[in-house]
Amino acid sequence: GEDVEQSLFLSVREGDSSVINCTYTDSSSTYLYWYKQEPGAGLQLLTYIFSNMDMKQDQRLTVLLNKKDKHLSLRIADTQTGDSAIYFCAERPPNYGGSQGNLIFGKGTKLSVKP
Amino acid sequence: KAGVTQTPRYLIKTRGQQVTLSCSPISGHRSVSWYQQTPGQGLQFLFEYFSETQRNKGNFPGRFSGRQFSNSRSEMNVSTLELGDSALYLCASSVDRGNGNTIYFGEGSWLTVV
Repeated sequence: GEDVEQSLFLSVREGDSSVINCTYTDSSSTYLYWYKQEPGAGLQLLTYIFSNMDMKQDQRLTVLLNKKDKHLSLRIADTQTGDSAIYFCAERPPNYGGSQGNLIFGKGTKLSVKP
Repeated sequence: KAGVTQTPRYLIKTRGQQVTLSCSPISGHRSVSWYQQTPGQGLQFLFEYFSETQRNKGNFPGRFSGRQFSNSRSEMNVSTLELGDSALYLCASSVDRGNGNTIYFGEGSWLTVV
């Protein structure tokens, strides 16, 4: 079966770097995503990485992908109090039957940023 | 460019009733998918529509159904509501190019069943 795992909580101090880790089980997954959810809100797409890439950087965000270990991480540099939220890792299985939207999510990591 | 729009944002229903939720995707996006989010089960895929056809379906009972219109707008319906259907229902849209990529979510519809 397919399962995405994340640690449930992470606490950092403002200004430090945050690293949120994720493991996935379907080595055929084509894309891997990071979403942010603030209280009472929907999911905000932060970034995504194609499975043939090792790293992707986007401003304060760095995504690392270790396909051999099926490990994905999201690093947030200079973490701010506004970064406090739940972060979801998601994988997208292969394009079976033309399907595009079937993301498999982890349970989410709650990031708390202390001033 | 407007994002994914879901209506209503909040609603309260009684057990046994039915509910219809609406989703307008980002302009130009043809694929719409639905997810249920609960504290216990997390985010679970319900179904996906493209060109008015259901292309994929998650593991939910037949009480959960959906449809897509020619303008790509989508609705989902839950009949004979149960207390366990209380959840945040999220709609997502994507362009649906062959190699796929970005999938954007709406703010969700909060359903409470009493």
